[in-house]
Amino acid sequence: KQEVTQIPAALSVPEGENLVLNCSFTDSAIYNLQWFRQDPGKGLTSLLLIQSSQREQTSGRLNASLDKSSGRSTLYIAASQPGDSATYLCAVGFTLLAWVFGPGTRLSVLP
Amino acid sequence: NAGVTQTPKFQVLKTGQSMTLQCAQDMNHEYMSWYRQDPGMGLRLIHYSVGAGITDQGEVPNGYNVSRSTTEDFPLRLLSAAPSQTSVYFCASSPGTGGMNSPLHFGNGTRLTVT
Repeated sequence: KQEVTQIPAALSVPEGENLVLNCSFTDSAIYNLQWFRQDPGKGLTSLLLIQSSQREQTSGRLNASLDKSSGRSTLYIAASQPGDSATYLCAVGFTLLAWVFGPGTRLSVLP
Repeated sequence: NAGVTQTPKFQVLKTGQSMTLQCAQDMNHEYMSWYRQDPGMGLRLIHYSVGAGITDQGEVPNGYNVSRSTTEDFPLRLLSAAPSQTSVYFCASSPGTGGMNSPLHFGNGTRLTVT
């Protein structure tokens, strides 16, 4: 079964720290990978989409990398702020028609 | 631009009742999908559609029906609600029939409780 895992389940850091969130998947033959942010009681917002032919994508303080051979992706957040506090989920496109989501990492950035 | 709109926001049902969760998007997206989110389990795909008149099952389709008569609307029907269907339901859409090469746009969810 194609699965996506995210470790740690929760993370608490002081403001200003650079941090890395991890996403692992079981099958290296993927189409692409997407990182989302979810605020409490809200839907998901897409942050970065990495195509299978790409190694990384950047948007502002966010950088996502993809290593298909090892089945891993990381989301790097630079100079974290309290407003970054949210749950971050990764989703993998193992097929052309459906995303498989990880359980998420709950991030708290303390002022 | 409203994006993806889900109604209702909250719903309480008794076991055995039926209901329809509504989803509408105004972005002319071909691909639409329904997920359920349960604590510690991430989002699981229920059904998806690649265009009007075309639907297919996802990972957890049992107990749910969908139809896609227009590009804009993709309702999810619970046929006979069970406590195991207590969850938060999300509708999502993206451009293109494959859905894989563009970001997914999510609604704000419907929180359903079945007693």
